[in-house]
Amino acid sequence: NAGVTQTPKFQVLKTGQSMTLQCAQDMNHEYMSWYRQDPGMGLRLIHYSVGAGITDQGEVPNGYNVSRSTTEDFPLRLLSAAPSQTSVYFCASSPSGWGTGELFFGEGSRLTVL
Amino acid sequence: DAKTTQPNSMESNEEEPVHLPCNHSTISGTDYIHWYRQLPSQGPEYVIHGLTSNVNNRMASLAIAEDRKSSTLILHRATLRDAAVYYCILRSGNQFYFGTGTSLTVIP
Repeated sequence: NAGVTQTPKFQVLKTGQSMTLQCAQDMNHEYMSWYRQDPGMGLRLIHYSVGAGITDQGEVPNGYNVSRSTTEDFPLRLLSAAPSQTSVYFCASSPSGWGTGELFFGEGSRLTVL
Repeated sequence: DAKTTQPNSMESNEEEPVHLPCNHSTISGTDYIHWYRQLPSQGPEYVIHGLTSNVNNRMASLAIAEDRKSSTLILHRATLRDAAVYYCILRSGNQFYFGTGTSLTVIP
């Protein structure tokens, strides 16, 4: 029962470095998404995908890239990290891309950019 | 602007009902209302969702106002394990819009 798996759980970067946050799900869900959570705020959608080969932007996409080459994986790339990207990142998947599907979340990845 | 508005915090005595309110005055006709809860250092967990009618499941009940501009999550008997941040969310198409959440404290 792996569900949604995120790696790494913790990461420290220097400004300007690049990295990829990995997300994998084993539930054959079509919909996958990335959120960031900042102190005192709810989660904000960065990017999402409704199936392999299809991605789209959420509320706060700037500074992040995604791709979806398989149903299982949805990596989030930071090409040039900035201190403003210090946050906790959550990946979530859903069996449905529309209203009735519930989201299943990973445990989060805490990123600090110095 | 946030699509949902919730009180920052609420308290409840153990084994008493809890009513968590949410305002979503700009909701559109096809937006679903979702509730999730989050324990410290964990990802959010699904609680319940609905569109127009009231909904019940094993965890909670969701009461939706007739004009759909507000909703209330009802925990029938609060336990210590229900202490969490509860998020009221609008699902609009493929996007979920989270509010800032209500931190629920359960008093033994």
